[in-house]
Amino acid sequence: DTEVTQTPKHLVMGMTNKKSLKCEQHMGHRAMYWYKQKAKKPPELMFVYSYEKLSINESVPSRFSPECPNSSLLNLHLHALQPEDSALYLCASSQEDRVSNQPQHFGDGTRLSIL
Amino acid sequence: AQTVTQSQPEMSVQEAETVTLSCTYDTSESNYYLFWYKQPPSRQMILVIRQEAYKQQNATENRFSVNFQKAAKSFSLKISDSQLGDTAMYFCAFMKRTQGAQKLVFGQGTRLTINP
Repeated sequence: DTEVTQTPKHLVMGMTNKKSLKCEQHMGHRAMYWYKQKAKKPPELMFVYSYEKLSINESVPSRFSPECPNSSLLNLHLHALQPEDSALYLCASSQEDRVSNQPQHFGDGTRLSIL
Repeated sequence: AQTVTQSQPEMSVQEAETVTLSCTYDTSESNYYLFWYKQPPSRQMILVIRQEAYKQQNATENRFSVNFQKAAKSFSLKISDSQLGDTAMYFCAFMKRTQGAQKLVFGQGTRLTINP
């Protein structure tokens, strides 16, 4: 069983819809990440939150809006997506002590399809 | 910029055989961390093994071990006594810190199939 829980597992939405992806972890990790993964490709980093503050935005289009309401939760709000945004969206978390580099723990992902 | 190269897009071996996946990377940093992750068809990225660059001893986790050659910037993964459950996509990853956070740079992956 994964320690990082993502919901929903699958999502189909139209280009005019608004939806949200949710990620939750209870390992006490203070860094959380969103990745986008296309088929047969490695994950691409989208956003990083450290201590509930946005640390990295990899020039992601504004139709993706991240939110970190508390240290256990990470949301990705979706609006007016394009067909090319169809992908597997992975959430990850890690300890954050700003010195060493702890491994990231990944969730199972949300498979997103844009009609 | 850091880059990670996995030169074997696909590999296939028989169950119980030993297989080695290659990975090379490029960095100017002296201390860093390297990882191997596996991603089975179930989609979850699972940490296989981790290596800290300042440690000369190669990391080992049960049937998984690495051959870390710092001077050559090489980080290969050896799977001994391979099992059907080892079938997955394997990603080599380099970790760096930037903008106050850690960032993983992944290779393109190697699709490994273990045949019965």
